[in-house]
Amino acid sequence: GDSVTQMEGPVTLSEEAFLTINCTYTATGYPSLFWYVQYPGEGLQLLLKATKADDKGSNKGFEATYRKETTSFHLEKGSVQVSDSAVYFCALNMDSNYQLIWGAGTKLIIKP
Amino acid sequence: SQTIHQWPATLVQPVGSPLSLECTVEGTSNPNLYWYRQAAGRGLQLLFYSVGIGQISSEVPQNLSASRPQDRQFILSSKKLLLSDSGFYLCAWSRDSSTTDTQYFGPGTRLTVL
Repeated sequence: GDSVTQMEGPVTLSEEAFLTINCTYTATGYPSLFWYVQYPGEGLQLLLKATKADDKGSNKGFEATYRKETTSFHLEKGSVQVSDSAVYFCALNMDSNYQLIWGAGTKLIIKP
Repeated sequence: SQTIHQWPATLVQPVGSPLSLECTVEGTSNPNLYWYRQAAGRGLQLLFYSVGIGQISSEVPQNLSASRPQDRQFILSSKKLLLSDSGFYLCAWSRDSSTTDTQYFGPGTRLTVL
């Protein structure tokens, strides 16, 4: 079945470091891909999304490119801040399906 | 603009007690509505979704149930809570079921069953 795999956390970085959180997916068709972020004690917020191959989603300095050839949607940011500390979830949505398929989440800790 | 509310924010209940969590959406009509559970340190699990009043689909067999008495109201219930029902419950809405549509989440309810 369809699935999403994320790198295990926690990921601990210093402020201003470069961030990559890996996400790969398995799907029989052509899904839309999402990154959601969950700040401590809060619900989830959409961070960015991409709906077709080679699309790049971007928001708040974060970027992810939909790579069909490697079935990946890695999240990147050039210079992280302490305020980026959160749990990041990768997810996909298939045609004719109400359900978002979620990765397990990656906890990101940014130290000053 | 659209907003989504959940209450209560936190809840501590004894095993065997009933449960009722409420979710309401403002600023839109005929949304798709979803209930998710997030267990500690794990990803999200879809419990129920609804495409209209009185229309509920269950994704996982369990002792929970959901109801949609009004267009923008979604309720999660249980007659008798289990210890394993502890978790963070999130309600979400979307405009439609297309693959490109975004789900918007409420602030969540943290449930602890003792």
